[in-house]
Amino acid sequence: KQEVTQIPAALSVPEGENLVLNCSFTDSAIYNLQWFRQDPGKGLTSLLLIQSSQREQTSGRLNASLDKSSGRSTLYIAASQPGDSATYLCAVGDNDMRFGAGTRLTVKP
Amino acid sequence: NAGVTQTPKFQVLKTGQSMTLQCAQDMNHEYMSWYRQDPGMGLRLIHYSVGAGITDQGEVPNGYNVSRSTTEDFPLRLLSAAPSQTSVYFCASRRGQNTGELFFGEGSRLTVL
Repeated sequence: KQEVTQIPAALSVPEGENLVLNCSFTDSAIYNLQWFRQDPGKGLTSLLLIQSSQREQTSGRLNASLDKSSGRSTLYIAASQPGDSATYLCAVGDNDMRFGAGTRLTVKP
Repeated sequence: NAGVTQTPKFQVLKTGQSMTLQCAQDMNHEYMSWYRQDPGMGLRLIHYSVGAGITDQGEVPNGYNVSRSTTEDFPLRLLSAAPSQTSVYFCASRRGQNTGELFFGEGSRLTVL
């Protein structure tokens, strides 16, 4: 059974800082890894999708990397802003996507 | 763009009642799924479908039924609601079985008294 772990559970940083969120998974035989953000009381918004043949994806200030052999992915956020405050979730798998518990990020002005 | 639409957004049930959570997508996606989100438990997959007429169980299927008669719709039925089914339910869809981004609806908050 795939287990997905996200560290840290919570993170508070001052505005402008670059930061890294971590996601680890136990079964490296995955099709996709996807990063989401969730605002309080809202649904999940897709940030980046990395297919198993890819090593990284970039969108604006976000960069996600995937190392299947070590069972790890990182989400790098450059020049953080208060609007980045949210919970960030990673999910891995195929038809049965497994989610981590998330990292709650607070960016202070 | 509508994307993934869930109804109702809020529902209160009494123990033993049945109800259906509706999910519709307008992106012609083959894959649809239902998750529940509970504090401290993260999102857990209930059921999923890879196309009309095809459904399969996820991690926590007990107490829930699904069917997929059309590509667009994937309703989730609670047969006899229990307080343990109090949760926020999310429907999601993507283009194919293992392809494309997973898109989520806004969620349905269910309380079972």
